[in-house]
Order: sequence, then structure tokens, then C-alpha cells
Amino acid sequence: GDSVTQMEGPVTLSEEAFLTINCTYTATGYPSLFWYVQYPGEGLQLLLKATKADDKGSNKGFEATYRKETTSFHLEKGSVQVSDSAVYFCARKIQGAQKLVFGQGTRLTINP
Amino acid sequence: ETGVTQTPRHLVMGMTNKKSLKCEQHLGHNAMYWYKQSAKKPLELMFVYSLEERVENNSVPSRFSPECPNSSHLFLHLHTLQPEDSALYLCASSQEGFNEQFFGPGTRLTVL
Repeated sequence: GDSVTQMEGPVTLSEEAFLTINCTYTATGYPSLFWYVQYPGEGLQLLLKATKADDKGSNKGFEATYRKETTSFHLEKGSVQVSDSAVYFCARKIQGAQKLVFGQGTRLTINP
Repeated sequence: ETGVTQTPRHLVMGMTNKKSLKCEQHLGHNAMYWYKQSAKKPLELMFVYSLEERVENNSVPSRFSPECPNSSHLFLHLHTLQPEDSALYLCASSQEGFNEQFFGPGTRLTVL
């Protein structure tokens, strides 16, 4: 079935380190893909998205590229900040349905 | 108000109580969702309403009863809950034909 798999957390990095959070999906066709971020005590916020193969979504220094060959949508940032500490969710649209399926979330902690 | 709002933000209730969670979206969307987020499980989709009709009910126990009186408002009526129902309940909305969902801040529910 349709699913999303994220790398296990938690992830702890130092400020200014390079970040990668892996995300792969199973799919028929080419679903839209998303990264959401959840800061402590808040709901989920859309961070970036890509709607077709080879699209690159970007926002706030984060990037992710829709790779159909590897069915992946890895999240990257070149230099993380303490304020990036949050839980990150990868998600994909379900074909033919008005809903998303989410990965299990990856907790990221950035130390100063 | 902007975006998606949820009230109350925090709720403590006994197992015999009846309470309701409220969600309101100010985005002009026509689909709304309830999710459950607990520490041990990823985001669980509970209910989906599209054009005020329930289109999905993911095997949710009958002690949770949703209501969507119009496209801007969504309620979750709670009765005779169990301690394992303690979680963060998130509401989201989207526009039919578009992919991304917009989330509220959630209601933190504790069942004693």
C-alpha cells in the first residue's frame, strides 16, 4: 500500500552542521510529496512541497528534491540553527483521495 | 483570526465526562480533518469531511463523534473516554483539488 518511511530519530547536531533527514515512499504513479515541521507545543506547518518528479521544494534554507528513480524526498539544510529544533514529518498525497499519509516523524535537536 | 484555530488548547476530563473539541478554519477551504497524535504512534487520521460530508472514518471508536455543521467548523464530541485516548488532537483543512493541508495548533487532551 501507500506508505512513507523516515529515518529513525532522534537526531542531534551542533549548530551550523549539515542536515539530512531521509524519506522514501511507496507509490503507484507520482504523488505530491511534502515536508511538515512541528515546533514544540504547536501543530504541523507545511515546510516545503514538490508535485512532480525532479521538482525541488525549498523554504527557510531547507531543500528536498523529488527523486522518482529512488522514490525518495530527503530533507537537507546546509547550516542548521538552534531554532530548527523540531519534529519533521515527510508526507505524500494518496492518489484519488483527499488525504495524506505521514511518516513517523524525526525529532531534531540542535545544540549551540 | 487567521488560519486554523482550535479550542480549547488544553483539556482534562474524567472518563465519565462529555466534552467537545472545536476547530474553525478561516481559509475558505472545503475539506476538514481530525488527527490523533500520541507519543507512541505516528499521526493517525481519524475523520475526513469533504463538502460537509464525512468521507472517511478510520475505524475510530464510537466514543469519538465528529460533526461538521458547515465548511468552516468541525467538532469532535467526546464521551466515556479511556486514559489511552490522552493525546494531541489536531484539526486540518484543505481545498478540494489541492494537496497540502493546513493544521491548527491542536488540543492537548488528558483523560484521568
